[in-house]
Amino acid sequence: RKEVEQDPGPFNVPEGATVAFNCTYSNSASQSFFWYRQDCRKEPKLLMSVYSSGNEDGRFTAQLNRASQYISLLIRDSKLSDSATYLCVVSGYSSASKIIFGSGTRLSIRP
Amino acid sequence: DAGITQSPRHKVTETGTPVTLRCHQTENHRYMYWYRQDPGHGLRLIHYSYGVKDTDKGEVSDGYSVSRSKTEDFLLTLESATSSQTSVYFCAIKKEGNTEAFFGQGTRLTVV
Repeated sequence: RKEVEQDPGPFNVPEGATVAFNCTYSNSASQSFFWYRQDCRKEPKLLMSVYSSGNEDGRFTAQLNRASQYISLLIRDSKLSDSATYLCVVSGYSSASKIIFGSGTRLSIRP
Repeated sequence: DAGITQSPRHKVTETGTPVTLRCHQTENHRYMYWYRQDPGHGLRLIHYSYGVKDTDKGEVSDGYSVSRSKTEDFLLTLESATSSQTSVYFCAIKKEGNTEAFFGQGTRLTVV
């Protein structure tokens, strides 16, 4: 079983739609959680960190459920520029911990 | 700009030859990582380092070795390249604490 699992998609939704991604992780000792965005043939870049209390950044909302060991990302009012691959990222309890990536979910926004 | 440079950016090499990829950072961060990215697999951790001369294996370390003789450089070596090592390789750096990682632009390696 992979340490971090995501639905690979692709998700193909119209502009303006709301789309949600989920991610599950297997290591209950994990402490840090992130969503990254990766554009085609580019390096991954941080989209947002995920906190236990949930957090929002404009149209993006991230939630963490420690009991069920899953992380979610909600994108509201999607834009064409949101088309990318979204990567769920989990890290352990210390700075020296490995950083593990999910395989990513591809999102395509159509006009 | 997170101050990470990967070199070379592109390389074509023959099966059986040694290859070294370099990751250089100007941020003086302690933690450095090498990942490979392949279709359907996402980013998989090869090796990582938590300080000079301190390295550890990731999930796909077979066929790879690393060295970190100074803070700013983390080298990934394929001792004898195979076609299965054709991939895009990303280096990442991270500072202390539970913070995010920053990535280099990647190295596209083709083994023929």
